[in-house]
Amino acid sequence: NAGVMQNPRHLVRRRGQEARLRCSPMKGHSHVYWYRQLPEEGLKFMVYLQKENIIDESGMPKERFSAEFPKEGPSILRIQQVVRGDSAAYFCASSPIRDRASEAFFGQGTRLTVV
Amino acid sequence: QQPVQSPQAVILREGEDAVINCSSSKALYSVHWYRQKHGEAPVFLMILLKGGEQKGHDKISASFNEKKQQSSLYLTASQLSYSGTYFCGTEASGSRLTFGEGTQLTVNP
Repeated sequence: NAGVMQNPRHLVRRRGQEARLRCSPMKGHSHVYWYRQLPEEGLKFMVYLQKENIIDESGMPKERFSAEFPKEGPSILRIQQVVRGDSAAYFCASSPIRDRASEAFFGQGTRLTVV
Repeated sequence: QQPVQSPQAVILREGEDAVINCSSSKALYSVHWYRQKHGEAPVFLMILLKGGEQKGHDKISASFNEKKQQSSLYLTASQLSYSGTYFCGTEASGSRLTFGEGTQLTVNP
């Protein structure tokens, strides 16, 4: 039973390029969270998705950031025209159903470096 | 609104005990506890669902006081492997899982 898979593990982008981060949830999980973590800081909520639906995107910056979770395939976090401040570790977590009883399991993260 | 964790950091000697607290200004539906080691992903420890619920495995346990909107994580007879940053995650509205800033725990020999 594979865990939450994120790729790539490390991503280097030049300022102005696009970054695409992928997250494949655990088998049977239909809910995905994305979090951003700066060094030595906490996990900042970005977006919560269900398949084909964005449930809560209140933590997403208004510009340049978008997320999707299609019916088939992984969830994608897309950052357009990256800037140095986007450098961080991006974690996704998945859970089977969205209720109080569901623990969320994290992937290994994608470490984005903008140069 | 994110929960508040205290203390921010703890340094222990192997075998000592520690308590990490997590509080929220909103009514909580559930509290989740995770541990993250440097450069790794957060690892799920336990989830508490009801007021007054207590859980534990090995020598790590937690309680949830729904009325006070607080949870505490108890680490007993700490081991070197307990070192890491502990995060509590809370659900107040039944939608998103929001994390505190973390408590950095260091266990020295």
